[in-house]
Amino acid sequence: NAGVMQNPRHLVRRRGQEARLRCSPMKGHSHVYWYRQLPEEGLKFMVYLQKENIIDESGMPKERFSAEFPKEGPSILRIQQVVRGDSAAYFCASSHLSGGTDTQYFGPGTRLTVL
Amino acid sequence: GQQLNQSPQSMFIQEGEDVSMNCTSSSIFNTWLWYKQDPGEGPVLLIALYKAGELTSNGRLTAQFGITRKDSFLNISASIPSDVGIYFCAGQGNAGNNRKLIWGLGTSLAVNP
Repeated sequence: NAGVMQNPRHLVRRRGQEARLRCSPMKGHSHVYWYRQLPEEGLKFMVYLQKENIIDESGMPKERFSAEFPKEGPSILRIQQVVRGDSAAYFCASSHLSGGTDTQYFGPGTRLTVL
Repeated sequence: GQQLNQSPQSMFIQEGEDVSMNCTSSSIFNTWLWYKQDPGEGPVLLIALYKAGELTSNGRLTAQFGITRKDSFLNISASIPSDVGIYFCAGQGNAGNNRKLIWGLGTSLAVNP
């Protein structure tokens, strides 16, 4: 059973370009979370999605950032007009609610560098 | 944003020693989790705790969910070189829509062979 897949693993963008990060959850998982990690810091929650629905986007910046989890295909985190401060590692996690528990399993991350 | 208080920030120990780290929060959580992160990789789940007072082991790792639901600790016994990495605690709220994980800043562990 494959784990959470993320691609690309590394992404370099110039200021003003768009970044698209993809996440394929574990098989059978219908919940997807996105987190951002700055160097030598813990992870910070961005957004929680289920298929075709955004459940909690309280951690998403108000501008330039968007996320989706379509009925078919991976979840996408999109950053428009990137700035240097967007440089970070972006992690996706997936989970499956079972027996009241909702343990999140993480992908390897996408490391975004903005030049 | 909300963040957990995790300590110590870093540890440097000899192989074979035991290690202890802990997390505290001003808020209660329904679930506490401990993850390990290696350089360039995503966090890997070590132990999940679902009930206040619960004590759970995974090999040489033992973790407890504090009775107040505001703290947790992780112990590693007889450390080995491959234990090197950064250990994170994370708390999760109630079910429903409050499923996001709140993280500590991590404990960096170095093991001297």
